[in-house]
Amino acid sequence: KAGVTQTPRYLIKTRGQQVTLSCSPISGHRSVSWYQQTPGQGLQFLFEYFSETQRNKGNFPGRFSGRQFSNSRSEMNVSTLELGDSALYLCASRQTSGGPPDTQYFGPGTRLTVL
Amino acid sequence: AQTVTQSQPEMSVQEAETVTLSCTYDTSENNYYLFWYKQPPSRQMILVIRQEAYKQQNATENRFSVNFQKAAKSFSLKISDSQLGDTAMYFCAFMKQVPGTYKYIFGTGTRLKVLA
Repeated sequence: KAGVTQTPRYLIKTRGQQVTLSCSPISGHRSVSWYQQTPGQGLQFLFEYFSETQRNKGNFPGRFSGRQFSNSRSEMNVSTLELGDSALYLCASRQTSGGPPDTQYFGPGTRLTVL
Repeated sequence: AQTVTQSQPEMSVQEAETVTLSCTYDTSENNYYLFWYKQPPSRQMILVIRQEAYKQQNATENRFSVNFQKAAKSFSLKISDSQLGDTAMYFCAFMKQVPGTYKYIFGTGTRLKVLA
């Protein structure tokens, strides 16, 4: 089975621009979560989608948004980029949402640099 | 609110020796799960080991084992016979059930370097 894939792997943007990141979960996985990873802050949870519905949301401003498609692929959008948005954005998929917890599998991440 | 603290930002260990990474957490929940994830340099994060809070027995996966002290809210990871491939960032994570799904909280990580 193919793992979680994320595109693009690297991205350079300037302040004020917007960006869209994509995540394809493992086949059969219906839950997709997004995290922001920065040095010293660890992983900060952004949001989780399951069956095209947002199930959970972290404490990030409204500039961060996401969506999930019927094939479970997910996109994350950041509008009006700020320098502090520079980070590694990780996507993780799980087979289910709720019920007995199953393992979360991570993608390689998208490294976003805001200049 | 739940928090996860990894007090060792960086550690190093000689190849073949044993190292312990510490993790403490704060919660009022009784049912939850704890994880250690490994993120090698420029590679994907992978699950190392997981522990259910209701289980008293410490989880073990080959050279990796945990010391789970529920009352003390401590969840340390022991790596025995360290190998060069163990060099990575290690994250401790807490997970609990919330309505309709699960919520994960990660620590800030410990960067482990295994020395030849």
